[in-house]
Amino acid sequence: DTEVTQTPKHLVMGMTNKKSLKCEQHMGHRAMYWYKQKAKKPPELMFVYSYEKLSINESVPSRFSPECPNSSLLNLHLHALQPEDSALYLCASSQGRGGIGYGYTFGSGTRLTVV
Amino acid sequence: AQSVTQLDSQVPVFEEAPVELRCNYSSSVPPYLFWYVQYPNQGLQLLLKYTSAATLVKGINGFEAEFKKSETSFHLTKPSAHMSDAAEYFCAVSDPMVGGFKTIFGAGTRLFVKA
Repeated sequence: DTEVTQTPKHLVMGMTNKKSLKCEQHMGHRAMYWYKQKAKKPPELMFVYSYEKLSINESVPSRFSPECPNSSLLNLHLHALQPEDSALYLCASSQGRGGIGYGYTFGSGTRLTVV
Repeated sequence: AQSVTQLDSQVPVFEEAPVELRCNYSSSVPPYLFWYVQYPNQGLQLLLKYTSAATLVKGINGFEAEFKKSETSFHLTKPSAHMSDAAEYFCAVSDPMVGGFKTIFGAGTRLFVKA
């Protein structure tokens, strides 16, 4: 299995809703990432988990809350989002810390729209 | 901190013509460099990576890139473009930071392939 699976593929939520994005990989990778990508822009790092521990938080607002229940799963809990949070949310995994020397395997993303 | 600059936001080519997408990097240490491709409404896919083993790196889909330290460049090339190559291409570098490493992406180059 060489895939990163993200669910749901599309999500529309109101500003008062609570929702979660899910990411799963079975490649034995011990580093997992959340990236945010706005239209016609490169991905921007949000969080890095290394060996199930949060190792990097790029000053992301607290309305985004990551969770890594085990080495195969990564969640992103969403609460009280703003319309400007609408974007493609990408999950990735890698061997090694930060994918150094290996690169990342990305999921197909969740297209989030906040109304 | 490491960074990459993609010199062209858009590159149009005719089908079967050669392709060159340009990337320059800035790094205070020997860099780990990557090229990724993103098709519409998809995640990113790793095309190739440079990890200092060889300066000419071959990747998937017939792409290759040459690491030139004297020019601080890592340009992506392909001898003959196919319609299926039309996509967004991102050059990236691994950047060490507190807590680990992260991948920094360039702004992206949109490749248009004309019949």
